[in-house]
Amino acid sequence: AQSVTQLGSHVSVSEGALVLLRCNYSSSVPPYLFWYVQYPNQGLQLLLKYTSAATLVKGINDFEAEFKKSETSFHLTKPSAHMSDAAEYFCAVGYSSASKIIFGSGTRLSIRP
Amino acid sequence: GAVVSQHPSRVICKSGTSVKIECRSLDFQATTMFWYRQFPKKSLMLMATSNEGSKATYEQGVEKDKFLINHASLTLSTLTVTSAHPEDSSFYICSAPGDVEETQYFGPGTRLLVL
Repeated sequence: AQSVTQLGSHVSVSEGALVLLRCNYSSSVPPYLFWYVQYPNQGLQLLLKYTSAATLVKGINDFEAEFKKSETSFHLTKPSAHMSDAAEYFCAVGYSSASKIIFGSGTRLSIRP
Repeated sequence: GAVVSQHPSRVICKSGTSVKIECRSLDFQATTMFWYRQFPKKSLMLMATSNEGSKATYEQGVEKDKFLINHASLTLSTLTVTSAHPEDSSFYICSAPGDVEETQYFGPGTRLLVL
């Protein structure tokens, strides 16, 4: 079975500050890992995905995540937060890019002016 | 890139009626589609896997007689909420694996409100 745990249901950072959203996974097989963003009243948008290639994955809008097998983590970072980054972020795991995806509980990111 | 659409985007119905939600892959074929449910300010919960030409596979705890899924063609899956009740009010999202890019595409979601 696969699962993900997102630490912190709400993260607040100042504009321009580092963004760090934490995600730990559990999987009996090498996982595919994803970060999705959801803006209010909208659908999901893929930020980035890990598919067993490079452990450091770069995504859209300067987000990146690092796969650390030893820590079973896939934390999402962005060097400098923008006001437009305020949204709900979901970490997710799957057996492949085409399989069903199991989502974490989500982290709401707020940006302070 | 590939696009998945959902119709309707928003629906309000009376308790006891049935509501059908469509999920279409617009420029690619999808033998498999997934249906998720999202409660307000909550995460997405996988409900079922829709399989073209065969029965859907439901996740544990999801009532298959309540949430009827039909994968009528390689580009269309439908979710019918039967005898809807207020507790069925939610945001329903479908997804489909792309046939070229190694990724999965999500529809924009359907917001259901049962009065």
